[in-house]
This record gives sequence, structure tokens and C-alpha cells, in this order.
Amino acid sequence: GIQVEQSPPDLILQEGANSTLRCNFSDSVNNLQWFHQNPWGQLINLFYIPSGTKQNGRLSATTVATERYSLLYISSSQTTDSGVYFCAVEETSYDKVIFGPGTSLSVIP
Amino acid sequence: KAGVTQTPRYLIKTRGQQVTLSCSPISGHRSVSWYQQTPGQGLQFLFEYFSETQRNKGNFPGRFSGRQFSNSRSEMNVSTLELGDSALYLCASSLTPMNTEAFFGQGTRLTVV
Repeated sequence: GIQVEQSPPDLILQEGANSTLRCNFSDSVNNLQWFHQNPWGQLINLFYIPSGTKQNGRLSATTVATERYSLLYISSSQTTDSGVYFCAVEETSYDKVIFGPGTSLSVIP
Repeated sequence: KAGVTQTPRYLIKTRGQQVTLSCSPISGHRSVSWYQQTPGQGLQFLFEYFSETQRNKGNFPGRFSGRQFSNSRSEMNVSTLELGDSALYLCASSLTPMNTEAFFGQGTRLTVV
């Protein structure tokens, strides 16, 4: 099956800093989403982005499907950005959703 | 509009028992997916239901099953519980299967003792 990797696994930022999170996948996908899981466990959909670029406030995402990666940009980070960021892909062949291992982000004041 | 509702939020069961978890999707959403999250295995796909039919299933034993009702509410059942079934169980709803944005509930934290 498809392999999904995320980097870095852990990230500590000073409030106000910018960061880039990466998601690599080993095969073509139908769908790619970015999620944020807050410290209380709630998963929130950030972007549905099988290709191209989208922006929502301080967050933006770019997926280059032909090169099998996606990037999530966080600008002017805030403490409320802390948590784990997951990318999830839908396999073309098996029609299942596979999550990456996540990037754990801590934003300190 | 109301989000995805999962009940109960917390549950403690004994090995060998069975458990049923419930998920009410966002109004109008007909697709419900279930996921298991553990520290060791991360987030894993369990199964997806659409219009009362199971569309696909992840790599879990037959002890894990589910169903969807005509109002799109879904239940998942785990029989003969094992300690390793302790996890956060999340459900997600979407308009159609796996090709639109998915919205997650807060999860049910199951502890097997």
C-alpha cells in the first residue's frame, strides 16, 4: 500500500515564527487533506487539497501531485497552533484513507 | 449547523466484553468513516459507510464491525475486547465517500482493563 511520510516529526517554534511542514506520499492519490489535532484530541480539517495551492488566513498549503508531496505553511505562529498536524491521502487503488505519522508542533510564548 | 457527535465520550470496559460506539454525522452528510488512534499505530482507517452500505474496510479483524442507519447515523461494534483495543475512536462525516472534505467528531476514548 501507499506510504505517507511527514517531516519534521517534532517542531518547537517561538510565537511569531513561520514554519513549513511536509508530507510525502509514495504513489498517486485521489485526495489529500491536512488536519490539525488540538491538545484535547479534536481533529479539524484544514485543507482539502489534491493539487494546487490554497490559503486560509495564516495557513496555506500546496500540493504537487506529480512529485508526490504537499506542504503546509504556518505564518506568524500562535500558541493556539500547537498540536499535531496530519496529512491524509486517499489511495487510488484501494480507496482507503491513510494518515501520515504527524508533525507535533509546540509554539512557545 | 451541528457538528459530528460521538457518544459516549469516555468508556471503560473489561477484556472479553463488547462495546458499541455511536456517531451522528453532520446533517445532510451521508458518508461516515471510522478511525482508530493509538500512540503506537497512529491513526488507522477502520471502515466507511455510505447510504447504509459498507464501502471498504481497513486491516482490522472481524471483531470490528459497523453499520449505518437510514438517517446516516452510524455505530461501530467491537466484540471480545482486548487490551490493545484501548484507543481513541474517531468518526468523520462527509457529503459523499472520501472525495470531499471530512469533518471529525471529538472521539470516544475507550479503555479496556
